[in-house]
Amino acid sequence: DQQVKQNSPSLSVQEGRISILNCDYTNSMFDYFLWYKKYPAEGPTFLISISSIKDKNEDGRFTVFLNKSAKHLSLHIVPSQPGDSAVYFCAASAISGGSQGNLIFGKGTKLSVKP
Amino acid sequence: ETGVTQSPTHLIKTRGQQVTLRCSSQSGHNTVSWYQQALGQGPQFIFQYYREEENGRGNFPPRFSGLQFPNYSSELNVNALELDDSALYLCASSPGQGPLSFFGPGTRLTVL
Repeated sequence: DQQVKQNSPSLSVQEGRISILNCDYTNSMFDYFLWYKKYPAEGPTFLISISSIKDKNEDGRFTVFLNKSAKHLSLHIVPSQPGDSAVYFCAASAISGGSQGNLIFGKGTKLSVKP
Repeated sequence: ETGVTQSPTHLIKTRGQQVTLRCSSQSGHNTVSWYQQALGQGPQFIFQYYREEENGRGNFPPRFSGLQFPNYSSELNVNALELDDSALYLCASSPGQGPLSFFGPGTRLTVL
């Protein structure tokens, strides 16, 4: 049973527009969420994170929103650039639950930003 | 560049064989985790080591084992390889015991 779900396998947006990547989770013990970006033949690269005590975290063009009641988070990229084309993974962790920081990943969403 | 390196890049083994994958973490990162990423899936947590002791394990059988060394290097050993073990194996290091992890490029293992 998947605890972290990314229901859109792919997303295509025009350069300069907003990209919105969505992630849902089922485990209410999750209290820390991360987004990773992965290019082919490379490992995942950390992008941005958010703790469950917040509902928004911003870093440059990237903003993550957390809706705890809906068990939903989203990553907004504004403006989108062709270099953002990659697979984006949502990951969750239950720090206070003693998970020792291991991450539960979704299956990823492949973002294509067209010039 | 995460400072995490893995070797080898690619590896081909046959069913029943044993394999050792290696990882070199960032200096000062006392926590190392290993993940398996099958095709079309997200990475799955195998286990984690903190200061050379295993302190967390995912849903993987005992034939998956590991070691962490004082020089921030680590190994993943898999015995009695099965076809389903074919995957990308990722090593990730962390500065503490928190969730923020920095991944290496991975080792692509193919079991024939």
